[in-house]
Amino acid sequence: DVVLTQTPPTLSATIGQSVSISCRSSQSLLHSNGNTYLHWLLQRPGQSPQLLIYLVSRLESGVPNRFSGSGSGTDFTLKISGVEAEDLGVYYCVQGTHAPWTFGGGTKLELK
Amino acid sequence: QVTLKESGPGMLQPSKTLSLTCSFSGFSLSTSGMVVSWIRQPSGKSLEWLAAIDWDGDKYYNPSLKSRLTVSKDTSNTQVFLKITSVDIADTATYYCARSWYPGLEFAYWGQGTLVTVSS
Repeated sequence: DVVLTQTPPTLSATIGQSVSISCRSSQSLLHSNGNTYLHWLLQRPGQSPQLLIYLVSRLESGVPNRFSGSGSGTDFTLKISGVEAEDLGVYYCVQGTHAPWTFGGGTKLELK
Repeated sequence: QVTLKESGPGMLQPSKTLSLTCSFSGFSLSTSGMVVSWIRQPSGKSLEWLAAIDWDGDKYYNPSLKSRLTVSKDTSNTQVFLKITSVDIADTATYYCARSWYPGLEFAYWGQGTLVTVSS
């Protein structure tokens, strides 16, 4: 199975600060069809996960553009340019290239 | 508007069979490329993909649990089911269903989740 390793496990930030989360894969996530199926989810406290970014860098409809994704192959990054209070929660990367589909361990974003 | 809602027994005893239902609206599972997955999350832990069924009725299972899982759908393509046999305490979790496109499994829509507690 593909292992996704997220760092850091916990991130403390002040409002307005820019932060980054890393997701490293044990295998390349480049699919044979040329797409890279690496996505980012946010789970706010007490809520279901929600999709933020899909296909590495595409912003899901309705998601603020302070969120951005980048990367290729095995190394991926989620960046939040100016944290807002509503961004607090646990961020997960998930890969859809290799079955079984797997999630990262999560990065908890909290207020400093 | 796409919605999904999970339902389950809430609590069951070890060794029993867990039956879960995902009822959805706003899309048809018969649409080419559509997939509904089951994902679970023990309290305070990460997410684990369990199983999926696609528009063509093809089924996908996590190999770590495959022998215990059965995913199915109804003929009207408005519900997806998951059965987990021989449950134990380690199966205690919130169970979600989520909609995706294949390939890619981007999990764009999620249900609210249903908490299942396995206890004697």
